[in-house]
Amino acid sequence: IAGITQAPTSQILAAGRRMTLRCTQDMRHNAMYWYRQDLGLGLRLIHYSNTAGTTGKGEVPDGYSVSRANTDDFPLTLASAVPSQTSVYFCASSAAGGSPGELFFGEGSRLTVL
Amino acid sequence: GQNIDQPTEMTATEGAIVQINCTYQTSGFNGLFWYQQHAGEAPTFLSYNVLDGLEEKGRFSSFLSRSKGYSYLLLKELQMKDSASYLCAVIENDYKLSFGAGTTVTVRA
Repeated sequence: IAGITQAPTSQILAAGRRMTLRCTQDMRHNAMYWYRQDLGLGLRLIHYSNTAGTTGKGEVPDGYSVSRANTDDFPLTLASAVPSQTSVYFCASSAAGGSPGELFFGEGSRLTVL
Repeated sequence: GQNIDQPTEMTATEGAIVQINCTYQTSGFNGLFWYQQHAGEAPTFLSYNVLDGLEEKGRFSSFLSRSKGYSYLLLKELQMKDSASYLCAVIENDYKLSFGAGTTVTVRA
């Protein structure tokens, strides 16, 4: 089934540990995004990539890093997790970066940092 | 940056109509989206407005007034499965999508 796959679905992590959330899409979309969703705050953009080889910072980038080595993969890394990074993380893609377009979301990764 | 405001919660009866308002303030505007999100699931696309006016798609309609910084999502003939959060999102000149906090709609029998 075409779409976006995120892994892991859920993870409990000790503070200070390194964690990478994986995101893979098979729709050949140019643009990919990472959002976090917290109760009462909605979806907030962490990092984005308009095309393979480029990345940019969103609204809440601190404590996170991304890479975009190819079109399909867009991993999000927490170098040293803190409890405030407890959230649900959504990866999304759109057909064309740099132009308005419908976002397609993965099913989310629920991360708890203790 | 932008401010996107929408009500936190709304409750309506099955078969009724509910209107979810969204107001926004942006430095540049390139369109407004509405997404639906059921509890524990990913958001899914409902509508996109870039010009003023009403866009109708089945039981759902979305309206935009750019001069007023205002949109609404109209849900008609409500069904139990419409119980979900509805997210208003705006694209600015940098073409990144920014979301409001969402409106949780509860449909009661």
